[in-house]
Amino acid sequence: QKEVEQNSGPLSVPEGAIASLNCTYSDRGSQSFFWYRQYSGKSPELIMFIYSNGDKEDGRFTAQLNKASQYVSLLIRDSQPSDSATYLCAAGEGSGNTGKLIFGQGTTLQVKP
Amino acid sequence: DAGVTQSPTHLIKTRGQQVTLRCSPKSGHDTVSWYQQALGQGPQFIFQYYEEEERQRGNFPDRFSGHQFPNYSSELNVNALLLGDSALYLCASSFRLAEGDTQYFGPGTRLTVL
Repeated sequence: QKEVEQNSGPLSVPEGAIASLNCTYSDRGSQSFFWYRQYSGKSPELIMFIYSNGDKEDGRFTAQLNKASQYVSLLIRDSQPSDSATYLCAAGEGSGNTGKLIFGQGTTLQVKP
Repeated sequence: DAGVTQSPTHLIKTRGQQVTLRCSPKSGHDTVSWYQQALGQGPQFIFQYYEEEERQRGNFPDRFSGHQFPNYSSELNVNALLLGDSALYLCASSFRLAEGDTQYFGPGTRLTVL
């Protein structure tokens, strides 16, 4: 069964620090990877997507992909209390636009003022 | 730019009943995917609709069925409700030809089965 694994946390960081969130995936055919942020009681909100090996930066967020190691990470620089949420990692199943995203269980991030 | 909308927001049903949830995709999107999210878990893929047909299906029983209309909106139907069907039901829309099939979620429908 294809899986995405995340540490459920909570991950606690002080305000202004860098938060590092990680996930691994089992489907070697996956080509697209996504990070979603979900506040308690709300729906997931897309933060970033990454398709190629290496880093992709968007503001305070950097996604990193290593297909050889089947590893995806999200770095949040200058963490703010408003970043406190659950972060979901998702992998697109297979090599094409199959439409099926496989999600991890999410990592809870707590940013302390 | 209208985002993904879902209705109703909350729903309470009893075991054995049937429920219909509705979704309108983001403007410009033609594909709708449905997910079930149990408390404390990540979303689980139910199925995807494109061109009014079910294109992909996850590991859900036939009690879960859907439909897509010509205007790209979609319905999720669940028959013979079980207590375990209580969850947040999420609709996600995307544009089929977009690279990587990036999906955007609606606000969800919270279903409680008593």
